[in-house]
Amino acid sequence: DTGVSQDPRHKITKRGQNVTFRCDPISEHNRLYWYRQTLGQGPEFLTYFQNEAQLEKSRLLSDRFSAERPKGSFSTLEIQRTEQGDSAMYLCASSLLGTLSYEQYFGPGTRLTVT
Amino acid sequence: AQKVTQAQTEISVVEKEDVTLDCVYETRDTTYYLFWYKQPPSGELVFLIRRNSFDEQNEISGRYSWNFQKSTSSFNFTITASQVVDSAVYFCALRETSSNTGKLIFGQGTTLQVKP
Repeated sequence: DTGVSQDPRHKITKRGQNVTFRCDPISEHNRLYWYRQTLGQGPEFLTYFQNEAQLEKSRLLSDRFSAERPKGSFSTLEIQRTEQGDSAMYLCASSLLGTLSYEQYFGPGTRLTVT
Repeated sequence: AQKVTQAQTEISVVEKEDVTLDCVYETRDTTYYLFWYKQPPSGELVFLIRRNSFDEQNEISGRYSWNFQKSTSSFNFTITASQVVDSAVYFCALRETSSNTGKLIFGQGTTLQVKP
């Protein structure tokens, strides 16, 4: 399978703990996005990488959130000192820079539950 | 500001009925892209269609068809002869060309339930 993969698929953590999610994009894709989706809502943009550079961060991304994409390959999203309001599905998507299509291909998501 | 509205929260139909999912968008850009994604219970968003703002030609793909009307800022999605497998949450999304990042702005989604 050469699609976008995310790990873990589910994460249950206690409030105050740190969590880290991983996203592996489609191999030739140089654009990578993180979105957050809460129950009953559409995904909301969090941050964007072009290769290894983080070029945009949403105001939704508080100081407790940090994302990296070393070497322009996989990406990690870390949440420090988790709060119950962080409970959501975290989606990763990738696309190819330079094409006119701009379709984003999404991974299966990581569902975070903060207790 | 950019915005996508899907006013229908939930729709329930009986198999073989036709169903239309509404999408209305707001943007200041003159060039933009509109998308529909399907999210089955497994959770993964599946790309269905992309439409750019300067191409108002309607499109049909099998049982799916899309009606883009720039004059009313709408991009509606119709499923003909619905099937149980069509049950999912459907999202309409907007990408503005003024955004160099290509980020998508999603509507709230419409949950479609197709009953046998």
